[in-house]
Amino acid sequence: DIQMTQSPSSLSASVGDRITINCRASQSIGRYLNWYQQKPGKAPKLLINGASGLQSGVPSRFTGSGSGTDFTLTITSLQPEDFVTYYCQHTHSAPWVFGQGTKVEVK
Amino acid sequence: EVQLVESGGGLVQPGGSLRLSCVVSGFDFSRSWMSWVRQAPGKGLEWVANINQDGRGEFYVDSVRGRFDISRDNTRNSLFLQMNSLRAEDTAVYYCARALVADTWSNDLWGHGSLVTVSS
Repeated sequence: DIQMTQSPSSLSASVGDRITINCRASQSIGRYLNWYQQKPGKAPKLLINGASGLQSGVPSRFTGSGSGTDFTLTITSLQPEDFVTYYCQHTHSAPWVFGQGTKVEVK
Repeated sequence: EVQLVESGGGLVQPGGSLRLSCVVSGFDFSRSWMSWVRQAPGKGLEWVANINQDGRGEFYVDSVRGRFDISRDNTRNSLFLQMNSLRAEDTAVYYCARALVADTWSNDLWGHGSLVTVSS
């Protein structure tokens, strides 16, 4: 099975900051990497699919990059509603696996 | 309007069974792969199972294979998860989600979730 290592597990930032979240696969997954945002008590929301494909309606401050084993989610100019939890997920082959999550907190 | 509505969760004793349902509207269910994803209290997301359009292709995470069964009824736009031999570690919110294939796969549409608690 392909494992996903997401880092950091949490980070502190301020409104307007630029942050990056990393995700590493245990073997090459091409671009079969998605990013989700989850607010407390809510279902996850797909932000980016195929490593860099921004979903319709998602603000352009969210950017995904990478291929193979190393991927990054970048959020430029953090907004108050962005202080929630983010997950990566690979869908290269079953079992699909999520990263452990990154909680973005207010500094 | 797209809707995925899960039901069937609740409290069950260890070793017991439960069947979750997910009724879908707003997209072509019969042409869609579907997933179940769960989240234990305070923990991260875990993919549980996928099923293909006609129900003949099923994929499971190792921890539930042989105990859980994913199925669907395309005439009723419904997805199911039959859970048997439940364990405390199966306690979680269970989400149904569409598994969309474009260039790659993703879970692009999600229900609100159904809580399953396994406890004596």
